[in-house]
Amino acid sequence: SQQGEEDPQALSIQEGENATMNCSYKTSINNLQWYRQNSGRGLVHLILIRSNEREKHSGRLRVTLDTSKKSSSLLITASRAADTASYFCATDDTGGFKTIFGAGTRLFVKA
Amino acid sequence: EADIYQTPRYLVIGTGKKITLECSQTMGHDKMYWYQQDPGMELHLIHYSYGVNSTEKGDLSSESTVSRIRTEHFPLTLESARPSHTSQYLCASSVQGTGEKLFFGSGTQLSVL
Repeated sequence: SQQGEEDPQALSIQEGENATMNCSYKTSINNLQWYRQNSGRGLVHLILIRSNEREKHSGRLRVTLDTSKKSSSLLITASRAADTASYFCATDDTGGFKTIFGAGTRLFVKA
Repeated sequence: EADIYQTPRYLVIGTGKKITLECSQTMGHDKMYWYQQDPGMELHLIHYSYGVNSTEKGDLSSESTVSRIRTEHFPLTLESARPSHTSQYLCASSVQGTGEKLFFGSGTQLSVL
């Protein structure tokens, strides 16, 4: 069963603009992660936020987590054409044994 | 850079053939996973392993099987491929623990004619 759901499904912006993607999940979690996938490739880990954290930064990435709303957001600031990819949130299941991915947000950054 | 490798990168085969998708990692990770992903869609967990001699089925029913005889190797086998098996197969690994970071291979794009 799908644990995380991203919103929007697709996002198209101009280079230099900020991109915000949202993720909602259904059950309690230990961690939430964001991954990036270039077309036809494997996923690359971007950032992990633990359930007791509310915000985390890594370079141009900012992730927030609201456990009361069971939601997270990924903000990419000053986007570049090279940021064009699909972005997935992932959560552990309630037992912590498996990592479950959402359907992803496809980001297009136009130069 | 992740030290996890999948071969082949692309595979086109006829219906009824037996195939094995290879996945190896050099990081000494105990946990390994196979995900199936159709273009532009979510990843579905089909198999995972906690370590040597451990294999579990994932959330998506799959006709494939896996084995874990060595820590670094987690091959996936389809005894008789069908067109419905056409998809991208992604292998991943992680250290033991709860919700740890996954390292992914580049994937195998399988097309069954």
